[in-house]
Amino acid sequence: QKEVEQDPGPLSVPEGAIVSLNCTYSNSAFQYFMWYRQYSRKGPELLMYTYSSGNKEDGRFTAQVDKSSKYISLFIRDSQPSDSATYLCAMIIQGAQKLVFGQGTRLTINP
Amino acid sequence: GAVVSQHPSWVICKSGTSVKIECRSLDFQATTMFWYRQFPKQSLMLMATSNEGSKATYEQGVEKDKFLINHASLTLSTLTVTSAHPEDSSFYICSARLAGLLNRELFFGEGSRLTVL
Repeated sequence: QKEVEQDPGPLSVPEGAIVSLNCTYSNSAFQYFMWYRQYSRKGPELLMYTYSSGNKEDGRFTAQVDKSSKYISLFIRDSQPSDSATYLCAMIIQGAQKLVFGQGTRLTINP
Repeated sequence: GAVVSQHPSWVICKSGTSVKIECRSLDFQATTMFWYRQFPKQSLMLMATSNEGSKATYEQGVEKDKFLINHASLTLSTLTVTSAHPEDSSFYICSARLAGLLNRELFFGEGSRLTVL
């Protein structure tokens, strides 16, 4: 079993829809959780960064962490074609150096 | 966010030659930099962790003599692919973490696409 599981998709939704992206993990020691967006042929860009459980909102993006279920989510409201990219979840244990990444979900927003 | 610059963004080389990729943190000091490899439609695979002033720590299965990493300063790490072969063709991405124990975010470079003929 992988430490972090993420459905690779592809996921295709119409413009304006609410998008839900998810990851599950097996190691309860993870404490820091991140979402990265990666456009084709580009490096990943940090979108959201949360510590422990709870919600964090930034514009159209909301990150949610449920440590009891070992489940994290990224919601995108009012999705735009420019949101089309691969979204990677990542997490790290306190004191550790290495991030553990999910496989990435390829998202397409159709105009 | 912090800016990480990679150079070159793409390179084509002949089999058997060596290629050097640079990774610079432009507006911050990075005590730790990471090198990843990414194949098409796949996630990032960590190759090595580079700490300034010390030897890099390689992940299992990554040949340290083939992928030479140097982190000579707080703003520069280099990856040299020695005696490159077509199977080394990939997208190589570096990342850097802000110095300081409380910082966990990684900032990524734009990536370097290597094609070995």
